[in-house]
Order: sequence, then structure tokens, then C-alpha cells
Amino acid sequence: AQSVAQPEDQVNVAEGNPLTVKCTYSVSGNPYLFWYVQYPNRGLQFLLKYITGDNLVKGSYGFEAEFNKSQTSFHLKKPSALVSDSALYFCAVRDDYGQNFVFGPGTRLSVLP
Amino acid sequence: KAGVTQTPRYLIKTRGQQVTLSCSPISGHRSVSWYQQTPGQGLQFLFEYFSETQRNKGNFPGRFSGRQFSNSRSEMNVSTLELGDSALYLCASSLVGTPEREAFFGQGTRLTVV
Repeated sequence: AQSVAQPEDQVNVAEGNPLTVKCTYSVSGNPYLFWYVQYPNRGLQFLLKYITGDNLVKGSYGFEAEFNKSQTSFHLKKPSALVSDSALYFCAVRDDYGQNFVFGPGTRLSVLP
Repeated sequence: KAGVTQTPRYLIKTRGQQVTLSCSPISGHRSVSWYQQTPGQGLQFLFEYFSETQRNKGNFPGRFSGRQFSNSRSEMNVSTLELGDSALYLCASSLVGTPEREAFFGQGTRLTVV
């Protein structure tokens, strides 16, 4: 069975500083990994995904994520945080056979001015 | 290009009633999935439809059902509502039904059961 862990409920970072939101996963077979962001009273917005190939994936709004197979991690990063990045972030995984996402519990990011 | 549209945005229902939620996917998308989001349980998969066929179902009671029409629009129905069904229900659409595809989510329908 697939599972996703996001070990931090809350991450606080000062504007202009780099941010990292952590994600680890468990899946049999090849992992297909995704990051989504949710703003208040909104649906989820796709940020980026890892399918295969380069371990560093670049996505929307300056976000990137690093896939590490040995550590089964897929951490989300941004070099310089903006106040507008404050939101709820979800990591999700599918396996080779999965039709549905398995989501992590979410991490609330607060970027302080 | 229009995004995923969910209607209604907000609903208040009484215990024991039933409710139908609607989702119009992005034009051309054939896969539609439904998720329930609650503060306690997070995001949980309900079911997925592809070309009018239910391909996968999450661990929810039979009170939760869905369908997909030939134009890819989807509905989900919850019968005999319980207080615990209060949640944000999210619909997501994808162009194809393969694992590497990203999904695009609607803004959700917030259901409150009183």
C-alpha cells in the first residue's frame, strides 16, 4: 500500500529566506510524485511532479523539488520565500497501477514579512 | 480554457437527507476523481471514473456513489447524510488515465450536515 508522510504540520520562514517542505513516501514499484498547494477556500493547484529522469524537478511559481530514491523523499524547495507562498502544501504519490492519489496530511507554510 | 467547475459551492443539508454534487471537467479530460477533505482525515479518495466506467473506489460506505456521463461530467451522491459527512468535496480531472498524469482540481463543494 502507498503512503505519504509530511513530518511537519507547520513551517515558518521569513520572507526572502529559502524554504523546504518535507515529504517521504512508501510505494511498491515506481513512484509518481506530486506537489499541490491549497489556498483558503480553494481547490488544490498543481505545482510540479516527478516521473523519471532528473532528480531535481522545477515547477510553477519558482518551486522545485528534489527526488531522493534512497531516502524515499521528495522535498519541496524555493530559494526565496514570498508572503504570498503562505498556504497548505500537499505531497501525493501514485504507483504504476494506481488510479488515485494518496496524499500526505499537509504542511501549513507561513512566510513572515 | 475553463477549469474544473463544481456546483454548488456550498450546501447545507439535514441529517438523513441525500445530496448530489456536480463536476464539469476541463474540456477533453476523460478522467474524473472525487476526494473528501476534512480537518481530521485529510484528503481521502472516493472514486475515479474514466470514460463512464468506475475504475477505482476508496474505502467509503455504499452511501457514497457516483457516475460519469458521456460528456465526462460527473456527479456524486451521498444518501442518508450523517454529521460526519460534513467536508469539502473536491473533484479532479485529467486528460488521460495513466499514473504520471497531473490532475486539475475544482474549488470544491463545501457540504455542511446539521
